[in-house]
Amino acid sequence: AAGVIQSPRHLIKEKRETATLKCYPIPRHDTVYWYQQGPGQDPQFLISFYEKMQSDKGSIPDRFSAQQFSDYHSELNMSSLELGDSALYFCASSLGGTGANVLTFGAGSRLTVL
Amino acid sequence: GIQVEQSPPDLILQEGANSTLRCNFSDSVNNLQWFHQNPWGQLINLFYIPSGTKQNGRLSATTVATERYSLLYISSSQTTDSGVYFCAVEDGNDMRFGAGTRLTVKP
Repeated sequence: AAGVIQSPRHLIKEKRETATLKCYPIPRHDTVYWYQQGPGQDPQFLISFYEKMQSDKGSIPDRFSAQQFSDYHSELNMSSLELGDSALYFCASSLGGTGANVLTFGAGSRLTVL
Repeated sequence: GIQVEQSPPDLILQEGANSTLRCNFSDSVNNLQWFHQNPWGQLINLFYIPSGTKQNGRLSATTVATERYSLLYISSSQTTDSGVYFCAVEDGNDMRFGAGTRLTVKP
């Protein structure tokens, strides 16, 4: 079965650079979530989209932005990167939001900021 | 927001042993999932279990929604069970994770 696809899997950037992460949800899933997991920490919710509209916002820095496109894929844009942005970024998708629906996570994108 | 507490934070077992991981949450939920994060960082969904009991091979889970806790049972543990086990519960339009239980299974 198709899973959540994230790209790139690994990304190395310098401070103050910009990075873009992409997420392709499971076919027919209409909800996408972004999480950030620092070393040794639990995943922290950043932002979610339902039917191409932002549905919830967590601890996402102002330097970050995201959107969900007409084909339901999502992109997380990160600007003015800082060392503390180094983390594993997960995308998850579900059908119809969190209410009673299973979230499936992608393999993650590991960002290293030097 | 909802609070999620997992215990124990760390667990070391010999291969073949059984274990119980606990997740307490502070409010009623419609969605609770258990995940295994393997040493390569992948988050694998184990159970979607807002209530009741489910079993999948050597793993089973029980959620007592009225008492706001869930248990994950691992029987006859194997070295491949090592990793971090997360409980996540619905918090508005997202899922809130507990701090996880780090399990190490020794051969």
